[in-house]
Amino acid sequence: AQSVAQPEDQVNVAEGNPLTVKCTYSVSGNPYLFWYVQYPNRGLQFLLKYITGDNLVKGSYGFEAEFNKSQTSFHLKKPSALVSDSALYFCAVRDDNYGQNFVFGPGTRLSVLP
Amino acid sequence: GAGVSQSPSNKVTEKGKDVELRCDPISGHTALYWYRQSLGQGLEFLIYFQGNSAPDKSGLPSDRFSAERTGGSVSTLTIQRTQQEDSAVYLCASSLGPGRGGSGANVLTFGAGSRLTVL
Repeated sequence: AQSVAQPEDQVNVAEGNPLTVKCTYSVSGNPYLFWYVQYPNRGLQFLLKYITGDNLVKGSYGFEAEFNKSQTSFHLKKPSALVSDSALYFCAVRDDNYGQNFVFGPGTRLSVLP
Repeated sequence: GAGVSQSPSNKVTEKGKDVELRCDPISGHTALYWYRQSLGQGLEFLIYFQGNSAPDKSGLPSDRFSAERTGGSVSTLTIQRTQQEDSAVYLCASSLGPGRGGSGANVLTFGAGSRLTVL
């Protein structure tokens, strides 16, 4: 079955600096990979996805993520962090060998310090 | 509707009582998911509905949990004889079904959640 790891519970970064939120996954088939963000007291919002094609995918709010098959990673990045990026970030995977079940990682709390 | 609607937004109940949580998905979305998010935890898959197919119930934690989806639209998650460990935010999400292409394919749209507190 598929699984997702987010090795960091918390990431702190200064405003204006680049940020990275890490995600690794395990699947038996081809991975469909996603990032979602949860702002305080709000529901989860879709940021970006990788299904096929270019390994670098761009999403909402200036975020991007790079699919690395050899390292089974899908790290989320942004060149210049904003205080408003502070939120809880979830990586998710769907294994095309296991139907439509999306498995989410435990989440990483990003704090951008002014 | 424009988004996924969940009700109630907050529910406080006593241990042993039954509760029902409702989800109204986006019109035209054939796939519907229930997840549970405990305080400070990630999302735990509960159940998945796709059209008229038999649901994937593999994530339901016990037989006290059940869900139905009537007419391929609104879904109700029922928890019988609630326990304190059932306290969590229950999230519903919908998406276009499998085989549907385009930018919305495989993207889950979440509701705001129903926060359940079992005393």
